[in-house]
Amino acid sequence: DTEVTQTPKHLVMGMTNKKSLKCEQHMGHRAMYWYKQKAKKPPELMFVYSYEKLSINESVPSRFSPECPNSSLLNLHLHALQPEDSALYLCASSQALLLDRGGGYTFGSGTRLTVV
Amino acid sequence: KQEVTQIPAALSVPEGENLVLNCSFTDSAIYNLQWFRQDPGKGLTSLLLIQSSQREQTSGRLNASLDKSSGRSTLYIAASQPGDSATYLCAVSQGAQKLVFGQGTRLTINP
Repeated sequence: DTEVTQTPKHLVMGMTNKKSLKCEQHMGHRAMYWYKQKAKKPPELMFVYSYEKLSINESVPSRFSPECPNSSLLNLHLHALQPEDSALYLCASSQALLLDRGGGYTFGSGTRLTVV
Repeated sequence: KQEVTQIPAALSVPEGENLVLNCSFTDSAIYNLQWFRQDPGKGLTSLLLIQSSQREQTSGRLNASLDKSSGRSTLYIAASQPGDSATYLCAVSQGAQKLVFGQGTRLTINP
């Protein structure tokens, strides 16, 4: 299995809703990432987990709450989002904790989130 | 701070042409460089990964080169096809598990 699987593919939520995005990989990668991508822009890093521990939080608002239950799963819990949070949310994983060991990134197909 | 620039921002060519996409970066202290393809509204598909010690990588009709000392990489696409139409992103990796992306090149191959 060489894929990163994200669910759901599309999500529409109200500003008072609570929802979760899910990401799963079975490549034995020990680093997992959440990225946010707005239209016609490159992906922006949000969070990094290494060995199931949060290692990087790029000053993301607390209405986004990541969780890594085990080495294969990564969740992003959403609460009280704003319309400007509408974007494509991408999950990624990599083989190495430090990319100098040669690992590249594998990205999922993303969740298209619309906040109304 | 690492900055990655991709030129051109958009490119439209007729089918069958060979083409080159350019990527430049300001800090040569990178671990590797990765080229991705992204179709509209979709995720990123990895095309080629070049380690900092390597000069080039090839996959099918794609060839990527890396000149770390000058801060440049190129993606060469041979015999372009309409199915190659997509946005191409280059990204460089540095410490702390961060990828720095360029703004991308939107490629259109006209039948």
